[in-house]
Amino acid sequence: GAVVSQHPSRVICKSGTSVKIECRSLDFQATTMFWYRQFPKKSLMLMATSNEGSKATYEQGVEKDKFLINHASLTLSTLTVTSAHPEDSSFYICSVDRGHYEQYFGPGTRLTVT
Amino acid sequence: AQSVAQPEDQVNVAEGNPLTVKCTYSVSGNPYLFWYVQYPNRGLQFLLKYITGDNLVKGSYGFEAEFNKSQTSFHLKKPSALVSDSALYFCAVRGLVTGGGNKLTFGTGTQLKVEL
Repeated sequence: GAVVSQHPSRVICKSGTSVKIECRSLDFQATTMFWYRQFPKKSLMLMATSNEGSKATYEQGVEKDKFLINHASLTLSTLTVTSAHPEDSSFYICSVDRGHYEQYFGPGTRLTVT
Repeated sequence: AQSVAQPEDQVNVAEGNPLTVKCTYSVSGNPYLFWYVQYPNRGLQFLLKYITGDNLVKGSYGFEAEFNKSQTSFHLKKPSALVSDSALYFCAVRGLVTGGGNKLTFGTGTQLKVEL
């Protein structure tokens, strides 16, 4: 299957600071990646669709100025949580759309805002 | 809009026994259905998908799922459970994202616990 990496796997930041999470498609050139957020023991919530070379498409209710997404190359998408607050603490997961109706997921990033 | 329901928060089964994890869906048009598994603090791993064709779909690690159009169900099954199958299982349906493309809508997940 596809190899998708995320960095960092865990990050702790102070309230008011920004943190960047990277999602890399290691063996596939991905024009489309997705960013999800998962709360403890809950389902995944799609935050946005990351499109290479263009602006991300955000789901309703997701603040685009708070969750900045950049998809500058076919192998890298980044999610920056700006001015983080404790309520932003969550598990963030990216996925790569590889076609054939399949998405392959990264291992996730645990963000804790203190 | 599409939706997925997983009616059981948790399923307990003894090792060696068959297991079933239930999923029902609602979608306009043809359903594209998926099962994923998540181990603690990890991303999701693809198990299997139904796009078209045979109603019984075979996937990874001995899992299979049966598509039932009349009951709008896509239950995950395995003939003989292993302790290592203990994990969180998500059913998902594929639909349209805002502005085009395709997205997955996930169910709430079912925690499978396989005991000796």
